[in-house]
Amino acid sequence: QQQVKQSPQSLIVQKGGISIINCAYENTAFDYFPWYQQFPGKGPALLIAIRPDVSEKKEGRFTISFNKSAKQFSLHIMDSQPGDSATYFCAAREDGNKLVFGAGTILRVKS
Amino acid sequence: ETGVTQSPTHLIKTRGQQVTLRCSSQSGHNTVSWYQQALGQGPQFIFQYYREEENGRGNFPPRFSGLQFPNYSSELNVNALELDDSALYLCASSLAGGNTIYFGEGSWLTVV
Repeated sequence: QQQVKQSPQSLIVQKGGISIINCAYENTAFDYFPWYQQFPGKGPALLIAIRPDVSEKKEGRFTISFNKSAKQFSLHIMDSQPGDSATYFCAAREDGNKLVFGAGTILRVKS
Repeated sequence: ETGVTQSPTHLIKTRGQQVTLRCSSQSGHNTVSWYQQALGQGPQFIFQYYREEENGRGNFPPRFSGLQFPNYSSELNVNALELDDSALYLCASSLAGGNTIYFGEGSWLTVV
């Protein structure tokens, strides 16, 4: 049973465009929603995170939008750059510091 | 740089053998968790340690075990290795109840 569903599986965006990755969850006990960026051969790096009592959080070119009633959240990458090409994972926290991850989105930014 | 260091970075083991992976958490972080990431998939939670005791476990068999030491460093032990255990093993550290969870670079395990 996949508790966090992530889409799309892969995404190709032109340089300067907006990359949008979506996630949905079922467990209302989740209380923290981070996004991680992972390059090949590396561990996941924390990108940005949000709590469910906040509808939007922006850090630089990265924005999380959170819809608590729909149990959905999304990552927007503005002005996407080739260096942003990586795999992105949404996650949700339950029971202490246990994270449940989505399946990942492979982003490719074309120059 | 997350301050979470893992060793070894790569290793190859034979089916049926045992392996120990090590993790040094970020300074002051008292909670350590371990994840398994198979190729092309998201990380899967194995278990978590707080104050040297396991306090949360995912859907992994008992042959996956761990330890946390007084300095908060941790070990993951896997007995009777199977081919499907081949994966990237990630250690993550945080403060108990804290919002920020940092991952190390992982240990790549190949079972042949």
